[in-house]
Amino acid sequence: EPEVTQTPSHQVTQMGQEVILRCVPISNHLYFYWYRQILGQKVEFLVSFYNNEISEKSEIFDDQFSVERPDGSNFTLKIRSTKLEDSAMYFCASREQGGSYEQYFGPGTRLTVT
Amino acid sequence: DQQVKQNSPSLSVQEGRISILNCDYTNSMFDYFLWYKKYPAEGPTFLISISSIKDKNEDGRFTVFLNKSAKHLSLHIVPSQPGDSAVYFCAAHSDSGNTGKLIFGQGTTLQVKP
Repeated sequence: EPEVTQTPSHQVTQMGQEVILRCVPISNHLYFYWYRQILGQKVEFLVSFYNNEISEKSEIFDDQFSVERPDGSNFTLKIRSTKLEDSAMYFCASREQGGSYEQYFGPGTRLTVT
Repeated sequence: DQQVKQNSPSLSVQEGRISILNCDYTNSMFDYFLWYKKYPAEGPTFLISISSIKDKNEDGRFTVFLNKSAKHLSLHIVPSQPGDSAVYFCAAHSDSGNTGKLIFGQGTTLQVKP
């Protein structure tokens, strides 16, 4: 069964450093998303991406964040200058085009900013 | 911003009994609702969904009920099994915009005791 994959599973970085989180969505899916979950809190929407551009972003997704689909398979989230409060689980998700809104999530990347 | 609320942080049931997880929402623009199950250190796994034009959807042991007038939905699991022990998230999709963004509740931790 096709699945969303994410790398790395755990990333530790120092405050102020740049990180890139990588995702490979399900191959025939056309909508891509990033969510995050701070420990003990709910899953929060960050950004959606369709047709090679951002379709919606949340207030969390400020100028420090960017997304890219550099080739036909990868989807990346970059945080330019990490802050302590960026520590969270980051989930990538994808869905196919059509009436169904089911999104399929990857296993997540745990980002720890020290 | 608590457009989707799961007021019970935890629920404990005996194996074989029914588990009922509840979810309330405030935004009448939500047109599609989903339940996800999440194990520790994994991403959310899609379980079952329901369109706002329906009031019930069933898939094996899982049934979701939607009461639009009360802005309430529930997930019934019967019979409950120990492997169902996980965090369950209710999520909603808004019809405004076509990004497919999901808004999640805080989650309910279900424990099924053998």
